Amino acid sequence: GQNIDQPTEMTATEGAIVQINCTYQTSGFNGLFWYQQHAGEAPTFLSYNVLDGLEEKGRFSSFLSRSKGYSYLLLKELQMKDSASYLCAVRVLRPHRPDKLIFGTGTRLQVFP
Amino acid sequence: GAVVSQHPSWVICKSGTSVKIECRSLDFQATTMFWYRQFPKKSLMLMATSNEGSKATYEQGVEKDKFLINHASLTLSTLTVTSAHPEDSSFYICSARGSMISYEQYFGPGTRLTVT
Repeated sequence: GQNIDQPTEMTATEGAIVQINCTYQTSGFNGLFWYQQHAGEAPTFLSYNVLDGLEEKGRFSSFLSRSKGYSYLLLKELQMKDSASYLCAVRVLRPHRPDKLIFGTGTRLQVFP
Repeated sequence: GAVVSQHPSWVICKSGTSVKIECRSLDFQATTMFWYRQFPKKSLMLMATSNEGSKATYEQGVEKDKFLINHASLTLSTLTVTSAHPEDSSFYICSARGSMISYEQYFGPGTRLTVT
């Protein structure tokens, strides 16, 4: 089956660094996304990794190891507005069907002053 | 750029009625649109994928006669929930993908459906 695991909740302090891990077991892997979702709103794109290694974009970085089925999202210099859910999603290719994003249940991050 | 809108943002309907949700790509042509639903504190689940001018491809377990999807143009897709039941109450989110970046999906703001 297809499975994506990430912690349910995390807390951190303003200005700190937090790492949100994601492990996956999927077939047809074709990239991993991280999205940010505030309550009642649509997910917004943060990062995309298809090759192993680290992708850095401002305060956010994302890492992928395909051999380990593992990714993490690193948030630096945390701000209160970073309090949100962070969704890990794997893009899978399927024979004779459109590709698909499989989402984890999301990690709810709370940032405290 | 790459803005996707949904209408309505929330809707309440009575059991047995039908409700239509629109998804529009405002500043790009969406060759593919996706419909998801999300239950509270659960992950987004893909319901169906549609390409402009062709029939939608539904995921296993999603009733195509209940959730009618039409992708009539490169900027508009609609999801009609027919004969709604309280268990259809959920957050419905569409996303759209254009041809310029083949992997990225842009999400709409979602529609909260409550069936009474």
